[in-house]
Amino acid sequence: EDQVTQSPEALRLQEGESSSLNCSYTVSGLRGLFWYRQDPGKGPEFLFTLYSAGEEKEKERLKATLTKKESFLHITAPKPEDSATYLCAVPPPGDKIIFGKGTRLHILP
Amino acid sequence: KAGVTQTPRYLIKTRGQQVTLSCSPISGHRSVSWYQQTPGQGLQFLFEYFSETQRNKGNFPGRFSGRQFSNSRSEMNVSTLELGDSALYLCASRGGGLAIYNEQFFGPGTRLTVL
Repeated sequence: EDQVTQSPEALRLQEGESSSLNCSYTVSGLRGLFWYRQDPGKGPEFLFTLYSAGEEKEKERLKATLTKKESFLHITAPKPEDSATYLCAVPPPGDKIIFGKGTRLHILP
Repeated sequence: KAGVTQTPRYLIKTRGQQVTLSCSPISGHRSVSWYQQTPGQGLQFLFEYFSETQRNKGNFPGRFSGRQFSNSRSEMNVSTLELGDSALYLCASRGGGLAIYNEQFFGPGTRLTVL
C-alpha cells in the first residue's frame, strides 16, 4: 500500500536551533515529492518539488533533499515566522496525490 | 494574478442536510482538485477535474460529488451530511496540463461544521 509518513509529529525549537523534518514514503515508481507549508487557518503553500534521488533544493532557511526512500526538510537557524505545519506529498501511479499528516513546527523566540 | 478562491469560508449545517462548496481556480488553470483535511486523517484527496471531466477519485462515499464548468470553476457537493464530514475542504488548481508533478496552488479552504 502506498504510504507517506512524516516525523516527528511536532517539534519545538529555540530560535536559531537547526533541525530536520523527515518524510518517508513507500510508493512504487516515484514521480516526484512535494513539500508544502501550512499556516493555521490557511491552505497549504507550495515550497519545493523534488524529482529524483540526490536532488536538493533551497529556499531561504529551508533545504529539501531526496533519497530513494525518504526526504528531509532541513531548517537552518529558524526564526519564529518559520512556525507552521510542514506537509510532504507524493503522487503514486494513478495520479492521486497522497499527503503525509505533517510536522507541526514551533520556533520559540 | 489572483489566487484560488473558495466560497463560502465558513459553513454550519445539521446532519442530513446537503452542502455545495465553490472553487475558482487561478486564471488559465484547467485542473482543480478537492481535498478534505481533518486533524485525525490529515489531507485526503477527494477528486480531480480537468476540462470538465473527473480524472481521479479518492476513497470517499458517493455522497461526495463534484463538477467543473467550462470556465474551470468547480463545485463540490456533499449530500446527507454526517457529523464526521466536519472538516476543512480545500481546493487546489494546477497549470501546465495534466502533469501530476506540476505544483498545486491551494485556496484558503471552507470550514464545514456539521451539528
